[in-house]
Amino acid sequence: AQSVAQPEDQVNVAEGNPLTVKCTYSVSGNPYLFWYVQYPNRGLQFLLKYITGDNLVKGSYGFEAEFNKSQTSFHLKKPSALVSDSALYFCAVRDGYNFNKFYFGSGTKLNVKP
Amino acid sequence: DSGVTQTPKHLITATGQRVTLRCSPRSGDLSVYWYQQSLDQGLQFLIQYYNGEERAKGNILERFSAQQFPDLHSELNLSSLELGDSALYFCASSLGLAGEQDEQFFGPGTRLTVL
Repeated sequence: AQSVAQPEDQVNVAEGNPLTVKCTYSVSGNPYLFWYVQYPNRGLQFLLKYITGDNLVKGSYGFEAEFNKSQTSFHLKKPSALVSDSALYFCAVRDGYNFNKFYFGSGTKLNVKP
Repeated sequence: DSGVTQTPKHLITATGQRVTLRCSPRSGDLSVYWYQQSLDQGLQFLIQYYNGEERAKGNILERFSAQQFPDLHSELNLSSLELGDSALYFCASSLGLAGEQDEQFFGPGTRLTVL
């Protein structure tokens, strides 16, 4: 079965500290992986994606994600968190058979405290 | 603002009723995706259309149906509504097929409350 897991419902971090939001996946074939952010009462916004190539992917707003094939993980990172980064973050993976289907994780609420 | 519009923003209805949610994709986008976001099940992919043709189906109930019209807007029809259908319904669009290279742009969602 193809799926995405975000093991932490919530991550708390102090402003200026590095942050990591975890994601592991299970998919047939080569994984296409995505991170989205959702602010209150808004739709999801694309942050970054991994299709192939460099395992470290850089995205919007200073975020990056590290693809680790052996650990089937795609953790989202940022070197220095901002209070404005506080939001709900979703990891997603493309279906290995039907490329138009996507599976999303349950979401991780990031709280960045001043 | 993603450029994807969804109407209505809020919808309150009763069990057993039928509703239609509307989505207008970004100008030029050919693909439309529908998602359901609920507290207990998270964000679930429902269905995807590309240029009027259904291309992928997820966990969409038989009571739900969708279509994409020649002008590329899409409608999601939900019938025989149950309390458990209360959720936020998102539409997303992409230029081509998001699973290949294109990014999905999400609309603001329609919040459906079934009483």
